[in-house]
Amino acid sequence: AQSVAQPEDQVNVAEGNPLTVKCTYSVSGNPYLFWYVQYPNRGLQFLLKYITGDNLVKGSYGFEAEFNKSQTSFHLKKPSALVSDSALYFCAVRDVFSKAGSYQLTFGKGTKLSVIP
Amino acid sequence: SQTIHQWPATLVQPVGSPLSLECTVEGTSNPNLYWYRQAAGRGLQLLFYSVGIGQISSEVPQNLSASRPQDRQFILSSKKLLLSDSGFYLCAWTPRENTEAFFGQGTRLTVV
Repeated sequence: AQSVAQPEDQVNVAEGNPLTVKCTYSVSGNPYLFWYVQYPNRGLQFLLKYITGDNLVKGSYGFEAEFNKSQTSFHLKKPSALVSDSALYFCAVRDVFSKAGSYQLTFGKGTKLSVIP
Repeated sequence: SQTIHQWPATLVQPVGSPLSLECTVEGTSNPNLYWYRQAAGRGLQLLFYSVGIGQISSEVPQNLSASRPQDRQFILSSKKLLLSDSGFYLCAWTPRENTEAFFGQGTRLTVV
């Protein structure tokens, strides 16, 4: 079974400060890891992914994430937060070997990011 | 490029009425298709997924059903809606070789 934990329901950060949204995962094999962002009443937008290779992954809108296998973490980061980054962020994991070839993603419960002007 | 269409964007339905939400994908073939429900603006619950025409797998028992009549069409249905069916429904697809999922814009369903 695979699972994702996002330990913080909400993260508040001042505009211009660095931000971190935490994610830890559990899979039986090697993970594929993803971050998505959701604005109110909209679908999820893909931000970045880790499949293999460099542990530091760069994505859209200046976001990046670091894969740490020993800590089973994939925290989302941005050096300087913008008010427009305020949204709901989801971490997701897929085991390389998923049942029935369906390649299902398992999502965390989401973290609400509020960037304060 | 690939795009996913989901409609309607909002829907208000009385208890006991039927439901049909539609999702189509363009620009790809043989996608894996998914229906998720998001309650209270938070976690995503996988309802159904499909790896091919007519192949539907259900993740949770519920008042809903899904069908895939064509390769790039995925339909979520109910014969009689319950109040508890209210929520935000999201369709998504992944390519067969599969990395990230791509989501539709969602349907806000309110059962009254």
